[in-house]
Amino acid sequence: AQKITQTQPGMFVQEKEAVTLDCTYDTSDPSYGLFWYKQPSSGEMIFLIYQGSYDQQNATEGRYSLNFQKARKSANLVISASQLGDSAMYFCAMREVFGEAAGNKLTFGGGTRVLVKP
Amino acid sequence: ETGVTQTPRHLVMGMTNKKSLKCEQHLGHNAMYWYKQSAKKPLELMFVYNFKEQTENNSVPSRFSPECPNSSHLFLHLHTLQPEDSALYLCASSQEVRGSGNTIYFGEGSWLTVV
Repeated sequence: AQKITQTQPGMFVQEKEAVTLDCTYDTSDPSYGLFWYKQPSSGEMIFLIYQGSYDQQNATEGRYSLNFQKARKSANLVISASQLGDSAMYFCAMREVFGEAAGNKLTFGGGTRVLVKP
Repeated sequence: ETGVTQTPRHLVMGMTNKKSLKCEQHLGHNAMYWYKQSAKKPLELMFVYNFKEQTENNSVPSRFSPECPNSSHLFLHLHTLQPEDSALYLCASSQEVRGSGNTIYFGEGSWLTVV
């Protein structure tokens, strides 16, 4: 079964507008972490934001915020005021503590390609 | 500047060649990883090293041979590869292996083409 699902293979967004990237996950573990990474065409995987399963508040990092809905098992990334440099692939990932993906295994979704239009 | 540096960034090799990918992390981390990213496939974990000891080999063919001489350096030795091994190879590091909040930081990747 898919652990991480990103249903949007690609999307366009107008510069300066906000965009929401969807991510749903599947786990039976009580303790887990959710991560978002950005991968430009150069290849580097850049860490953006982290949300812990026990965190009471949604994570925010600058223009990035994570809309964490635990009951629905979703962790959507919101990018506000999009910039041309935001054009990249975005990956959602999960790390479980006790389950199959425990410890060193970070399970990635298939990614969403974002293209920001001027 | 990334805290994880990979060289070379691009490598083209024949199926009979022997080459190596190098990774160095400047973050003071204790765990290092190799991931493989093929076209249209999710990232695949290949190897994990924790305090220089290999703790994970994700059923990787023996034509890929990792080496971790210390906590800051990680190599991936390549020999008799196949064209389907062409991919982006990403090195990563984290403070430790365990813990759900333990962020993994990646390098810029090495683009490998096997001809």
